[in-house]
Amino acid sequence: DQQVKQNSPSLSVQEGRISILNCDYTNSMFDYFLWYKKYPAEGPTFLISISSIKDKNEDGRFTVFLNKSAKHLSLHIVPSQPGDSAVYFCAARREIGNQFYFGTGTSLTVIP
Amino acid sequence: NAGVMQNPRHLVRRRGQEARLRCSPMKGHSHVYWYRQLPEEGLKFMVYLQKENIIDESGMPKERFSAEFPKEGPSILRIQQVVRGDSAAYFCASSTGGPGTDTQYFGPGTRLTVL
Repeated sequence: DQQVKQNSPSLSVQEGRISILNCDYTNSMFDYFLWYKKYPAEGPTFLISISSIKDKNEDGRFTVFLNKSAKHLSLHIVPSQPGDSAVYFCAARREIGNQFYFGTGTSLTVIP
Repeated sequence: NAGVMQNPRHLVRRRGQEARLRCSPMKGHSHVYWYRQLPEEGLKFMVYLQKENIIDESGMPKERFSAEFPKEGPSILRIQQVVRGDSAAYFCASSTGGPGTDTQYFGPGTRLTVL
């Protein structure tokens, strides 16, 4: 039962343009959402997060948007850089039980 | 402040042997999570532990797999009688487990290869 879904397994974007990565979830009990970036042969690295009481959080080139009514979040990277090429995982936390649920990842390629 | 440590980074075992994977959480973190990533797949939750307690092991196979997080020392994921299908990257993450905006931080992973 995949409660967090990333329906696009891959995405290619030109350097300098915007990258938009999407994530959908099914459980309305999730209260905290995170994005992780993963390079090959390394562990996921925490990137940015958002609480369910907010609809936007920005950190430099990275912005996460949360639409609770649609149970949808997205990560915007502007401008995209070749070093952003990695697999991006979204995750959601259910406060009761402190459990985290991960999507299957989207592989982003930024073309120079 | 050291991050999450995992060792070994690479582990090779023959079928039928035992694999022991270790994870030392970040300082101040008392919650540990284990995930498995099979080739071409995402992260699959296996088990969630606090010190001396297993909180959720719903993602862990019922046989051959076990995990512990003792009062002292690292968390251990143990796989007995390994089979080729166990070959994967195993990641450990830790968190404070506090309410509100808790975040998991990952280790570099252990890549298990079963020959």
